[in-house]
Amino acid sequence: QLQLQESGPGLVKPSETLSLTCTVSGGSISSSSYYWGWIRQPPGKGLEWIGSIYYSGSTYYNPSLKSRVTISVDTSKNQFSLKLSSVTAADTAVYYCARRSFEFDYWGQGTLVTVSS
Amino acid sequence: QAVLTQPSSLSASPGASASLTCTLRSGINVGTYRIYWYQQKPGSPPQYLLRYKSDSDKQQGSGVPSRFSGSKDASANAGILLISGLQSEDEADYYCMIWHSSASVFGTGTKVTVL
Repeated sequence: QLQLQESGPGLVKPSETLSLTCTVSGGSISSSSYYWGWIRQPPGKGLEWIGSIYYSGSTYYNPSLKSRVTISVDTSKNQFSLKLSSVTAADTAVYYCARRSFEFDYWGQGTLVTVSS
Repeated sequence: QAVLTQPSSLSASPGASASLTCTLRSGINVGTYRIYWYQQKPGSPPQYLLRYKSDSDKQQGSGVPSRFSGSKDASANAGILLISGLQSEDEADYYCMIWHSSASVFGTGTKVTVL
């Protein structure tokens, strides 16, 4: 059974860079059938897609976040990562990683990242 | 104006049917899009329910009951998630999603309460 697990600091200071990693188990991140994505959800609010990456490194980003986002993949570790720079309190959210073919069919449990000094 | 607008809440009785709408912004034609639907319960990640573009292009998520179904209302430029025979376990938030200009866009979400 495919599993995804987010990891990274739960607290980030304003203006710093948020860094998270998603570890994929039970399947290969190098599958040609899938992209891998990040989605976030501020407390009590809706879902926002951040971006997606293919195992080859090809990326798609949310235009509203594109200037601050970098998503990368490490196929040797079966992981992909998110970096979000210059964070503010508005970036406080639960961050999910997920697999997508067309739909996002497998999700991690999510990790809460709080931006605060 | 959001790309995808959903009613913020909907209440219905057990056994009833609930119709959740996902209205696309003017200028974006619902007929050209696959509409994806997700269910999210408190403290859990979203779960994929189904996708619908047309009766010949639709997919039910793995293990998703057939009482969840999709359709469209072209006159309203909206996708629809129909939940038949509402059960208490259907109480959750529901989000629609499309792929638009190489980006994934989620709807604003509907909170369904089963009275």
